[in-house]
Amino acid sequence: GQNIDQPTEMTATEGAIVQINCTYQTSGFNGLFWYQQHAGEAPTFLSYNVLDGLEEKGRFSSFLSRSKGYSYLLLKELQMKDSASYLCAVRDSSSNTGKLIFGQGTTLQVKP
Amino acid sequence: DTGVSQNPRHKITKRGQNVTFRCDPISEHNRLYWYRQTLGQGPEFLTYFQNEAQLEKSRLLSDRFSAERPKGSFSTLEIQRTEQGDSAMYLCASSPTSGMWMNEQFFGPGTRLTVL
Repeated sequence: GQNIDQPTEMTATEGAIVQINCTYQTSGFNGLFWYQQHAGEAPTFLSYNVLDGLEEKGRFSSFLSRSKGYSYLLLKELQMKDSASYLCAVRDSSSNTGKLIFGQGTTLQVKP
Repeated sequence: DTGVSQNPRHKITKRGQNVTFRCDPISEHNRLYWYRQTLGQGPEFLTYFQNEAQLEKSRLLSDRFSAERPKGSFSTLEIQRTEQGDSAMYLCASSPTSGMWMNEQFFGPGTRLTVL
């Protein structure tokens, strides 16, 4: 079966660091994605990991461990505008379509 | 054109009516996806097109749902005899099959459907 778990909600303080975890069990794996989604808007791409390790992009970093079925998204120097839902998604390799299997999303609230 | 567009942005309909949504992907993106997202959940895959060919359909896509991409450019998603459970945000995404962006799906703003 396909299962992607991430916390439902998190709260953090402006200027702080927050880590959003994601664990997955899927029948096939061809990369893990993180998307940001503000309320009522489309998901926007943040990061992509296909090999183990850390990918850094500005204030955002994403880590992957394929053996553990685990990823995290790290957000540094939090800003109020980072309040959004963060979606973890696995690209399914069992078909050649590249379709994404999403977790339920983590709603992050950044407080002053 | 710098992104995926979807029309309409909002649709309110009565149960039993038919609705059709349109997606215009980024030009030259061969891959096109439809997803459905309900409140508090992540998007769920519905169907996939490569050019004009519909190559995969989810079991979520009942026989009331049909999608087309007649010329390999824009796509339509039709829902017949809508039910209240169809109320959701319908998202379209596109992706190239080669180049630096091939690993990214670009999402449109979505069509929010409310079935009364």
